[in-house]
Amino acid sequence: AQKVTQAQTEISVVEKEDVTLDCVYETRDTTYYLFWYKQPPSGELVFLIRRNSFDEQNEISGRYSWNFQKSTSSFNFTITASQVVDSAVYFCALSEARGYSTLTFGKGTMLLVSP
Amino acid sequence: ETGVTQTPRHLVMGMTNKKSLKCEQHLGHNAMYWYKQSAKKPLELMFVYNFKEQTENNSVPSRFSPECPNSSHLFLHLHTLQPEDSALYLCASSQGSGTRAYEQYFGPGTRLTVT
Repeated sequence: AQKVTQAQTEISVVEKEDVTLDCVYETRDTTYYLFWYKQPPSGELVFLIRRNSFDEQNEISGRYSWNFQKSTSSFNFTITASQVVDSAVYFCALSEARGYSTLTFGKGTMLLVSP
Repeated sequence: ETGVTQTPRHLVMGMTNKKSLKCEQHLGHNAMYWYKQSAKKPLELMFVYNFKEQTENNSVPSRFSPECPNSSHLFLHLHTLQPEDSALYLCASSQGSGTRAYEQYFGPGTRLTVT
């Protein structure tokens, strides 16, 4: 069975601080996909990134960066120079590779960025 | 972004009512999903339709009945619900095949309250 653990329930930072959201996963599959989603107060989940299990290259997109380490089964997400608009619940998720998506989500980390 | 729309956005229903939630995607996808998001619980996958065929039913009670008449529309028919069914119901879609089949795009959700 798959499992995703986001140990941080809530993180509070002040604007311009860097913040890292942790994600640890469990799977028996050798091929799988990892994701991060953002859920602002409006409720809609916004897709941020997909990472394939066979590609351990880290990725940077503007102020966002992701660190995938297969050896520790972690897929952490860092926001550099946080902004108030980054306040949201962030979900890490894992999908088996069975031809269609079957996302298993973590419980989410609520990020509060204050001015 | 109006790739995935859901109606109604809010619904209050009594335990003896029958209602339906509607989801429509405008992304040309072939897979559609229903999720339940309750307070303090991880997102729970309920149903998956891939190319209009139901491929997942995660032990969902029969008082929830999905319908997928075509690849663009997904319904969730509700009857004799319980108060614990109150939650945010999210619809998502993804491509039916290929690597991007694992990227799900979500609608804004329907906030359901059962009285």
